[in-house]
Amino acid sequence: GAGVSQSPSNKVTEKGKDVELRCDPISGHTALYWYRQSLGQGLEFLIYFQGNSAPDKSGLPSDRFSAERTGGSVSTLTIQRTQQEDSAVYLCASSTGLAGTDTQYFGPGTRLTVL
Amino acid sequence: AQSVTQLGSHVSVSEGALVLLRCNYSSSVPPYLFWYVQYPNQGLQLLLKYTSAATLVKGINGFEAEFKKSETSFHLTKPSAHMSDAAEYFCAVSESDYKLSFGAGTTVTVRA
Repeated sequence: GAGVSQSPSNKVTEKGKDVELRCDPISGHTALYWYRQSLGQGLEFLIYFQGNSAPDKSGLPSDRFSAERTGGSVSTLTIQRTQQEDSAVYLCASSTGLAGTDTQYFGPGTRLTVL
Repeated sequence: AQSVTQLGSHVSVSEGALVLLRCNYSSSVPPYLFWYVQYPNQGLQLLLKYTSAATLVKGINGFEAEFKKSETSFHLTKPSAHMSDAAEYFCAVSESDYKLSFGAGTTVTVRA
């Protein structure tokens, strides 16, 4: 079946611009995660959505970052007023959310470059 | 708080040789432990996970890992390396249902 998809695969933007990154989880998965992979910080948890529960936003690095999940499916990660340090690969993952330790399936990522 | 340390950012092995990737964790509660692999320009793929059942966990592609509580380790091994094993490998720990904390990663190169 289809896996997690992300778009765009690459995004180049100028400092100060806003960007939106999209994630389509595996159909039927209620849990959705965003991570950031950068040279300096490695892989970092950003945010977690589970069903209709309030998201865990504890990993968002600043208030310029926000995410939403519409209809319990597609998610959008928005970065406002981008900075050069935002350059990274943004990974989305989804899981069934049915039990602890269920497997997170990752998308291919969006590579963001801020000039 | 949970964290993971991967010893060695790069490992080079000969084809057919043993692959050993080291991972040590710290956790305030019994952890869940994972190994993921990332091929160039791809997302992360789960190799195996430990969830407090058997301490020796077998995964895909011939990999296995052993949970050793006394050593707080979860090292990944494969008896015989294949060229297709060249990739970056990440160890991760979770104390909860969802939030993964990753190690810095180990890049494996396989020499013919």
